[in-house]
Amino acid sequence: EAQVTQNPRYLITVTGKKLTVTCSQNMNHEYMSWYRQDPGLGLRQIYYSMNVEVTDKGDVPEGYKVSRKEKRNFPLILESPSPNQTSLYFCASTTWGQETQYFGPGTRLLVL
Amino acid sequence: DQQVKQNSPSLSVQEGRISILNCDYTNSMFDYFLWYKKYPAEGPTFLISISSIKDKNEDGRFTVFLNKSAKHLSLHIVPSQPGDSAVYFCAASALRTGANNLFFGTGTRLTVIP
Repeated sequence: EAQVTQNPRYLITVTGKKLTVTCSQNMNHEYMSWYRQDPGLGLRQIYYSMNVEVTDKGDVPEGYKVSRKEKRNFPLILESPSPNQTSLYFCASTTWGQETQYFGPGTRLLVL
Repeated sequence: DQQVKQNSPSLSVQEGRISILNCDYTNSMFDYFLWYKKYPAEGPTFLISISSIKDKNEDGRFTVFLNKSAKHLSLHIVPSQPGDSAVYFCAASALRTGANNLFFGTGTRLTVIP
């Protein structure tokens, strides 16, 4: 089954404790992206990757890091999480020539 | 600065009636527009899209209209069904620039009342 998976689905952590949210897709997509969803703000892009070893900032990259060492994986790293990073995070992927993006199920993060 | 705007946070419609969700954009480089549907505890799923070379695209009960001069698009759902109750996001991209980046609106929560 073609899908985008994210782990964990739910995470509670404390300020300053490094965490990684994993994202994996099995569709051989070149393009992958991370979004955060906040009330009243919709989905905002954090980082995206156009292919392996190619990443770039989205609209709200502060406090986040990403890496793209393999085509299928695109982890989101919070080196020192803060309460304002409490949010719902979505990973998405697509391929060139395809206009739609496929989203993972989301990761709900609470930073205390 | 929000480049894609959905000014109605919520909409309630009786089952069987038409639902109309609206979206406005500001960036004239956008040439592709999409609607995504999101249920609680799930990721957004693609619903319907339209290229800027068209002014209407229809798929079953769903029709999207694009008015480029007004930088406005709308999603019509006819007839509305209780299963359509979800949050709907409008999104836009500038494919002609070679980018796949999507810019989302803030969403409209549709409730279809049985």
